[in-house]
Amino acid sequence: QVQLVESGGGVVQPGGSLRLSCAASGLTFSSYGMHWVRQAPGKGLEWMAVLSYDGSHKYYTDSVKGRFTISRDNSKNTLYLQMNSLRPEDTAVYYCASLGGYGDYGGGYWGQGTLVTVSS
Amino acid sequence: EIVLTQSPATLSLSPGERATLSCRASQSVSSYLAWFQQKPGQAPRLVIYDASNRATGIPGTFSGSGSGTDFTLTISSLEPEDFAVYYCQQRSNWPFTFGPGTKVEIK
Repeated sequence: QVQLVESGGGVVQPGGSLRLSCAASGLTFSSYGMHWVRQAPGKGLEWMAVLSYDGSHKYYTDSVKGRFTISRDNSKNTLYLQMNSLRPEDTAVYYCASLGGYGDYGGGYWGQGTLVTVSS
Repeated sequence: EIVLTQSPATLSLSPGERATLSCRASQSVSSYLAWFQQKPGQAPRLVIYDASNRATGIPGTFSGSGSGTDFTLTISSLEPEDFAVYYCQQRSNWPFTFGPGTKVEIK
């Protein structure tokens, strides 16, 4: 079955950096557009970024533009999120997911999430 | 950016009752709307995609309808495991957006 496993979360000081990874299995990773979605404690879901199946198209929500970078390595079936200039309001559980956007609905698969805490 | 509004914010019902959840978009999203279920401490789970298609493993008590700007998720008879928060999400335009959620709680 499809598995998406995030890693790389932790506690970081404001202004710091962190890189999240999402390892995929059970699907043809190179055929899927992949997304990052986050959820602050006790809050709703916030869509953050997408990267097309071949890496040629990416899009970010305004709150992370210029600070976060989405990338992928299809040879390793892995999606990444490089997060720089972190702020306390970036504290959240970060999920990778296949939510479509490139011709179909993407399957709707989600990882279990990884917690990022930005605090001094 | 397309804004999704969900109503009600909270729905208090008993097992066996019918639940009707609404999602309204600030502009047309055609049929590119999904519904996700989330239970405490868990990742979201796809329930409905493209407005009316049940995802794999979702029981027939769940149905979705609508197009354009107005959408509905109906649970015809609530089971104990259906009590959760439900989010709608559009994939018509970038950036994708989620609604604020409807909590279906046990009355």
